[in-house]
Amino acid sequence: DADVTQTPRNRITKTGKRIMLECSQTKGHDRMYWYRQDPGLGLRLIYYSFDVKDINKGEISDGYSVSRQAQAKFSLSLESAIPNQTALYFCATSDWQGEETQYFGPGTRLLVL
Amino acid sequence: LAKTTQPISMDSYEGQEVNITCSHNNIATNDYITWYQQFPSQGPRFIIQGYKTKVTNEVASLFIPADRKSSTLSLPRVSLSDTAVYYCLVGDRINDMRFGAGTRLTVKP
Repeated sequence: DADVTQTPRNRITKTGKRIMLECSQTKGHDRMYWYRQDPGLGLRLIYYSFDVKDINKGEISDGYSVSRQAQAKFSLSLESAIPNQTALYFCATSDWQGEETQYFGPGTRLLVL
Repeated sequence: LAKTTQPISMDSYEGQEVNITCSHNNIATNDYITWYQQFPSQGPRFIIQGYKTKVTNEVASLFIPADRKSSTLSLPRVSLSDTAVYYCLVGDRINDMRFGAGTRLTVKP
């Protein structure tokens, strides 16, 4: 969905490096999410944010941190990357309307050597 | 959190109707059911959502029996481009929903 963009699309880094993945959205949604997906598996929620001042841990937050710089921007950081963080990372947005649907970005493929 | 169970994979042929069933025995009163489609190396895409009975949109139908312990996604007349992974999610808030491994649908010519 072009309304949700992620940068970079691909990244190779080394163990111990700090990296940041960025997500921007033009949908005007308050809620944003970060997921990771490992090969052959479903998505797992890392962190989510319901508005600029709200940050919540998901299923697998250890080793990650996030920053909600503005309604439209939500960044995911790996403070000290490790090889088992190699995965496909997705950002998503949603807007509460009684029921929620999510809109996903194109993903960032991260390889940690 | 409602646990969901789906078949790991399904095969079909072009032009056929495909039905993918999801079991969610411990669905809660406020939970609704959402299906997403994911192509390789892309983010999931919303297909359909419902609470009870039947919901239909331009892409699919969702059948939910009265006890709501299962749901069936129906894709009419599939084409090769419908080859994807399909996820069933249950919950009333996205942060409480879990993506399982999904159902890998392969449509053959």
